[in-house]
Amino acid sequence: NAGVMQNPRHLVRRRGQEARLRCSPMKGHSHVYWYRQLPEEGLKFMVYLQKENIIDESGMPKERFSAEFPKEGPSILRIQQVVRGDSAAYFCASSPPGGARETQYFGPGTRLLVL
Amino acid sequence: GEDVEQSLFLSVREGDSSVINCTYTDSSSTYLYWYKQEPGAGLQLLTYIFSNMDMKQDQRLTVLLNKKDKHLSLRIADTQTGDSAIYFCAEGRSNYQLIWGAGTKLIIKP
Repeated sequence: NAGVMQNPRHLVRRRGQEARLRCSPMKGHSHVYWYRQLPEEGLKFMVYLQKENIIDESGMPKERFSAEFPKEGPSILRIQQVVRGDSAAYFCASSPPGGARETQYFGPGTRLLVL
Repeated sequence: GEDVEQSLFLSVREGDSSVINCTYTDSSSTYLYWYKQEPGAGLQLLTYIFSNMDMKQDQRLTVLLNKKDKHLSLRIADTQTGDSAIYFCAEGRSNYQLIWGAGTKLIIKP
């Protein structure tokens, strides 16, 4: 039973390019959460999605950031026109229906570096 | 504010006990968590404690909660080299949101 998969593990982009981060939840999990970790800070909640629905995007910047979790395929976190301040580790977690905190399983993260 | 505070580093000798401390802010938080992150890996839930408890023990791990002072600690007995990692404290808000500390890097000296 594979865990939460994220790819790519490392991503380098130049300012103004687009970054696409993918997250495949654990088998049987229908809830996905995205977190961002800036250097020497804790994780910050960004968005909570269920299949085809955004449940809570209160932690996501209003501009340039979007997230989706389609019926088929992985969840995608998309950052348009990246800036240096977007450089961070982005973690995805998934949970089964019910979405309790203690059942969130985390992926290894994508480290985004914006040059 | 909503900060969860932790020291950034802790250095202990192999075989000694490690005590990682955390302070949180929201007295209404019902669950508090400890996660472990090994290099290049995801976050692994180690243990969690409900706010009406003051202690929880699980093998080498002991969690102490002082709700009055909003202070949480994780004690690792007989620290081994495999315990080298970053340990995150998190408090639960709402049904799914976690508020995280910056993590404490545990360094094991031989």
